[in-house]
Amino acid sequence: DTAVSQTPKYLVTQMGNDKSIKCEQNLGHDTMYWYKQDSKKFLKIMFSYNNKELIINETVPNRFSPKSPDKAHLNLHINSLELGDSAVYFCASSRSRGGSYEQYFGPGTRLTVT
Amino acid sequence: AQTVTQSQPEMSVQEAETVTLSCTYDTSESDYYLFWYKQPPSRQMILVIRQEAYKQQNATENRFSVNFQKAAKSFSLKISDSQLGDAAMYFCAYTSNYGGATNKLIFGTGTLLAVQP
Repeated sequence: DTAVSQTPKYLVTQMGNDKSIKCEQNLGHDTMYWYKQDSKKFLKIMFSYNNKELIINETVPNRFSPKSPDKAHLNLHINSLELGDSAVYFCASSRSRGGSYEQYFGPGTRLTVT
Repeated sequence: AQTVTQSQPEMSVQEAETVTLSCTYDTSESDYYLFWYKQPPSRQMILVIRQEAYKQQNATENRFSVNFQKAAKSFSLKISDSQLGDAAMYFCAYTSNYGGATNKLIFGTGTLLAVQP
């Protein structure tokens, strides 16, 4: 069974479109994250939710809107896609907020904006 | 703000040899965790090893070990008996552990490790 899953794994779309990426974890964790890996492989936190409450929003454009319908799911909706949004987006989860809790990553979603 | 620096963009090692990847970090906190993640071409992020700042003993996981120098803010990864499957991008990462911390991982820029047969 996959611990952290993301759909889709690949997403190709045109500028200006709106798209969503879905993430689900079956580990019983209560904290979930979105990270962005750019073309130079640099990874940066975007958002984090703890028990469905937003706890991190790292100066991400408001075209990006996360949504956590329950503790097992964290979706990412992107409006008006731009070329610079092309990246790999990783979802992750951990048991709780403390630093001692390992983060488990999903397989990533490669978003290509043309 | 905390930062993580990996000064070696690329490294190469012969199969069965030992290689050390460097990482330095900057923080004013005293309670934190450090990690090494591996990202093979499949792009899956895999936790290799972690170190709690309060533990003086260096962490070890099979062929992987760290050299944690808290005063120098250095956290290097040693891979012994390198195998072809070790070829990957390696990321050093930091997270705070004080009360109320958000547990976000702060990553270095990565080191691409090639293993030569």
